[in-house]
Amino acid sequence: GIQVEQSPPDLILQEGANSTLRCNFSDSVNNLQWFHQNPWGQLINLFYIPSGTKQNGRLSATTVATERYSLLYISSSQTTDSGVYFCAVEYGNKLVFGAGTILRVKS
Amino acid sequence: DTAVSQTPKYLVTQMGNDKSIKCEQNLGHDTMYWYKQDSKKFLKIMFSYNNKELIINETVPNRFSPKSPDKAHLNLHINSLELGDSAVYFCASSQVVIQTPNYGYTFGSGTRLTVV
Repeated sequence: GIQVEQSPPDLILQEGANSTLRCNFSDSVNNLQWFHQNPWGQLINLFYIPSGTKQNGRLSATTVATERYSLLYISSSQTTDSGVYFCAVEYGNKLVFGAGTILRVKS
Repeated sequence: DTAVSQTPKYLVTQMGNDKSIKCEQNLGHDTMYWYKQDSKKFLKIMFSYNNKELIINETVPNRFSPKSPDKAHLNLHINSLELGDSAVYFCASSQVVIQTPNYGYTFGSGTRLTVV
């Protein structure tokens, strides 16, 4: 099956700092999504991004499908950005998740 | 106007009991899923249904039985609950129609199951 690897596994930021999260996948995929799981456990869809670049406020994402990776950029981080960030790829009619990046933003 | 809603949000029960989790989506999606998130936060698919038909069953114990009365509902019934079933269970739906608002996967808020 496909392997989805996220890095770094953990990240601590001071409020206001920028960060880049990476997702590598081992095979061609139909789609890719980034999710944020907040401290209350809700999975929030951030981006549906099978290729190209998208921006939404302080967040942006880029997927280079030919090189099998995606990046999530968080600028001017806030404490509310804390939580787990998941990359997930659609492969074989299902969404396969990476292990996530745990982000802690300190004030 | 919740897109994917599941109930209950929390479920605490004793070993050996039978319980059900309900899921409904109002997005008009054709495909619904159950995912399990373990204690290490890893999310893995259990089942998927497309228009009431089972299409994925990922080696889940047969104590778990999904039921889809129509394409907007996918319920999960669990028999003879075990301690190891404790986890968060997420329902999701999807419809890949590019350039429409309802594309990609949308997840419910999860059901935290604790077996004691």
